[in-house]
Amino acid sequence: GAGVSQSPRYKVAKRGQDVALRCDPISGHVSLFWYQQALGQGPEFLTYFQNEAQLDKSGLPSDRFFAERPEGSVSTLKIQRTQQEDSAVYLCASSPEGAKFYEQYFGPGTRLTVT
Amino acid sequence: QKEVEQDPGPLSVPEGAIVSLNCTYSNSAFQYFMWYRQYSRKGPELLMYTYSSGNKEDGRFTAQVDKSSKYISLFIRDSQPSDSATYLCAMSKLGGGGNKLTFGTGTQLKVEL
Repeated sequence: GAGVSQSPRYKVAKRGQDVALRCDPISGHVSLFWYQQALGQGPEFLTYFQNEAQLDKSGLPSDRFFAERPEGSVSTLKIQRTQQEDSAVYLCASSPEGAKFYEQYFGPGTRLTVT
Repeated sequence: QKEVEQDPGPLSVPEGAIVSLNCTYSNSAFQYFMWYRQYSRKGPELLMYTYSSGNKEDGRFTAQVDKSSKYISLFIRDSQPSDSATYLCAMSKLGGGGNKLTFGTGTQLKVEL
């Protein structure tokens, strides 16, 4: 079946612009995660949704980062007034209900470059 | 200091070699351990997962966990050029699906013909 999809795959933004990154999780998956992966680094947790509820946003680096999942399926990560340090790959992962710790299925990521 | 440390490599080995990849961690709250493989410009894909100390084998892959030393390993036997990728260790404090993963930096592996 279809996996996690993300769009756009690549995004170039000028410093100060706002961007919106989309994640389509696997159909029926209740949990959704966003991670940020800087060049040469491992993914770092940003935020977690269970259905439409954002249960953990402890990893969001600043108040310029905002995520939503209004209907419990598609999620959008929005970054306002982008800065060069926001350049990274943004990964989305989803999990089914009753999933075990290892059941996070990752999308291909959106590579954001801020110039 | 990061909670999970992993040598970034790059590690280059000849085809057929045994590869050893390792991570150390500082937080004893981590109970669940995973290894992911990430090809260039792709998302991570799960290779192995373990809970508690000991070994787990799956084909050419063996995962080891030593909680007393806070040290985990992944061994790849009979390495192939298709194994060339970045290998990420990841850890979780809880066993459910709604728990964030803490990743190492990743080790870049190249298997040469």
